[in-house]
Amino acid sequence: EIVLTQSPGTLSLSPGERATLSCRASQSVTSTYLGWFQQKSGQAPRLLIFGATNRATGIPDRFSGSGSGTDFTLTISRLEPEDFAVYYCQHYGGPLITFGQGTRLEIK
Amino acid sequence: QVQLQQSGSGLVKPSQTLSLTCVISGDSVSSNTAAWNWIRQSPWRGLEWLGRTYYRSKWFNDYAVSVKSRIIVNPDTSKNRFSLQLNSVTPEDTAVYYCARVVDYEANGYYYPHIDHWGQGTLVTVSS
Repeated sequence: EIVLTQSPGTLSLSPGERATLSCRASQSVTSTYLGWFQQKSGQAPRLLIFGATNRATGIPDRFSGSGSGTDFTLTISRLEPEDFAVYYCQHYGGPLITFGQGTRLEIK
Repeated sequence: QVQLQQSGSGLVKPSQTLSLTCVISGDSVSSNTAAWNWIRQSPWRGLEWLGRTYYRSKWFNDYAVSVKSRIIVNPDTSKNRFSLQLNSVTPEDTAVYYCARVVDYEANGYYYPHIDHWGQGTLVTVSS
């Protein structure tokens, strides 16, 4: 089973700043199987990025994904007030789906 | 567009059976390019995949090892929905349960399976 470890656990930033969130896999993974989700309180997760680098439909271009092998990154170039939420990376293992423990992005 | 609408009991007694249903609109449970999943979320276990059903000329099911002995995910083609049954529940099964679609997306010779739609979530509490 692939274990995903996200860092940092909490990130405190101000609107307009750049956010960099990390996801490390316990072993090398196929990058086309790596995704990122945003979750706000009381809501289901929302797909941001699939295949490590591809923005989902309707996702603003301030969100970008990168990485390969065991190290992946979600970058939010300029934070908007609505971006403060919890972010999860996720791996599709066909069939097993695993998630990281999440990074909470909070307003500084 | 695809929508997943969940229903089912929010309170289950220990040792009894948790039952949830997910109605699909905008796609078919018999789709050859999707799989229909159940995922739960709790503070102690985070987001945890439970199982799936999908159709590829015949029906298939897969389940997480942690619940394999007590879970059933069934398709219902007549009502275009799928269900979750989790037997012998304990308080540790208390969680928000989600149904979700995984789509088989191919582009430029590469395969990009990903969760693209979720149900609204159902809080299930296991308590006497």
